[in-house]
Amino acid sequence: GNSVTQMEGPVTLSEEAFLTINCTYTATGYPSLFWYVQYPGEGLQLLLKATKADDKGSNKGFEATYRKETTSFHLEKGSVQVSDSAVYFCALMDSSYKLIFGSGTRLLVRP
Amino acid sequence: DADVTQTPRNRITKTGKRIMLECSQTKGHDRMYWYRQDPGLGLRLIYYSFDVKDINKGEISDGYSVSRQAQAKFSLSLESAIPNQTALYFCATSAEGLTEAFFGQGTRLTVV
Repeated sequence: GNSVTQMEGPVTLSEEAFLTINCTYTATGYPSLFWYVQYPGEGLQLLLKATKADDKGSNKGFEATYRKETTSFHLEKGSVQVSDSAVYFCALMDSSYKLIFGSGTRLLVRP
Repeated sequence: DADVTQTPRNRITKTGKRIMLECSQTKGHDRMYWYRQDPGLGLRLIYYSFDVKDINKGEISDGYSVSRQAQAKFSLSLESAIPNQTALYFCATSAEGLTEAFFGQGTRLTVV
């Protein structure tokens, strides 16, 4: 079945460090791919998305590129801030319009 | 006001009790979903509905039931709550033509 695998956390970085959170997926067809972010005590918010191969999603300095050849959608940010501390979820929407999530990666950014 | 509203936000209930979690939305979306979140497991789909007459089981539907009372309302019931149903529950909505989903703030349920 369709699935999403993302790197385990927590990821701890110093402010202004470079961030990469790995995400790979297994799916039939051409799913849309997403990164959602969950700040403490809140629901999930869409961070960025890509709907076809080679698309790059970007928002708030975060980027991810839909790589069909490696079935990956890694999240990157060049310079993280303390306010980026949150849990990040990679997800795909399959052909049945179900959102399937990875297990989440907690990011902690220290001043 | 939030576009996707879940009630209650927090609930503690006893084993064996029936409990209902409610979700309402003002986004006009047809598709509604219930997920549960457990530490280290991400979000897992319980049930989803694409219109009032359409109800589908997700990957972990055992022990749960749902009701789609109207386009804007989708309720999740635990007929006889058990401790391993302690989790954070999220409702989400989406629309035809959209690929992303919009989430409520979550309901933290504790079964003691």
